[in-house]
Amino acid sequence: GAGVSQSPSNKVTEKGKDVELRCDPISGHTALYWYRQSLGQGLEFLIYFQGNSAPDKSGLPSDRFSAERTGGSVSTLTIQRTQQEDSAVYLCASSARTGDYGYTFGSGTRLTVV
Amino acid sequence: SQKIEQNSEALNIQEGKTATLTCNYTNYSPAYLQWYRQDPGRGPVFLLLIRENEKEKRKERLKVTFDTTLKQSLFHITASQPADSATYLCALPNTGNQFYFGTGTSLTVIP
Repeated sequence: GAGVSQSPSNKVTEKGKDVELRCDPISGHTALYWYRQSLGQGLEFLIYFQGNSAPDKSGLPSDRFSAERTGGSVSTLTIQRTQQEDSAVYLCASSARTGDYGYTFGSGTRLTVV
Repeated sequence: SQKIEQNSEALNIQEGKTATLTCNYTNYSPAYLQWYRQDPGRGPVFLLLIRENEKEKRKERLKVTFDTTLKQSLFHITASQPADSATYLCALPNTGNQFYFGTGTSLTVIP
C-alpha cells in the first residue's frame, strides 16, 4: 500500500485479556519496527525485524510481549495478560533499508487497558 | 546508552518568525541524526537526516545543523506558518538496529 497501515486504530481491553495489534508495512520494505509511546513520553523501542534475520527483541518489556512477522510482510504484536501500564500508543514503522534512512510510521494503535 | 534532551518547554512563536528547536545528546556522537514531525493522533513523519560530516542541511523552509563538538542539533523553520504547529522529534541511532527518540518539542505558530 501507499503507507504503513495499523489496525485496530483504537482498542479497549480488560485487564488480563490478550490483545493482537497488526501492522501492514509498505510493500518492499524489509525493515519493520515496533515502538510504543506513552503520554508525554518519548518513543520506546520494542522490536525490530530485518528480512529473514532473527528479530531484535531487546526492547520487549516482559515475556508477555511477543511479535512475529509472516512472509516478511505483515507483523503482529501480541500482549498477553494485559496490565494497565501497557496502555499506550503502539506505533509500527517500516524502512526500505536500515541505517541512514528515515522510517515511515503508521498512525498507531491506541491501547487502553481498563 | 544515549540520553536525548529537547526543549522541555513548549515553543510559541508568531507567524512569519523563525522557530529554532534544540536537540542535545549526552553520549557518543552518532553518524547521523534525524528529525521527525508528529501531529496529534498520528505517527511521526520523517523530515530530514543530517550526517556527522554535514554541518547543515536544508529542505525548503527547514534547516538542520549538527555540531558534534557541542553534541547538539538545531532545527530551524523559517517564515513559520500555523500549519507548522506540531511536535518535533529528534532521533539518533544506537549501536544496534534502532533509534533513540527525544520526547519532542511542541511548537505552536500563532497567526
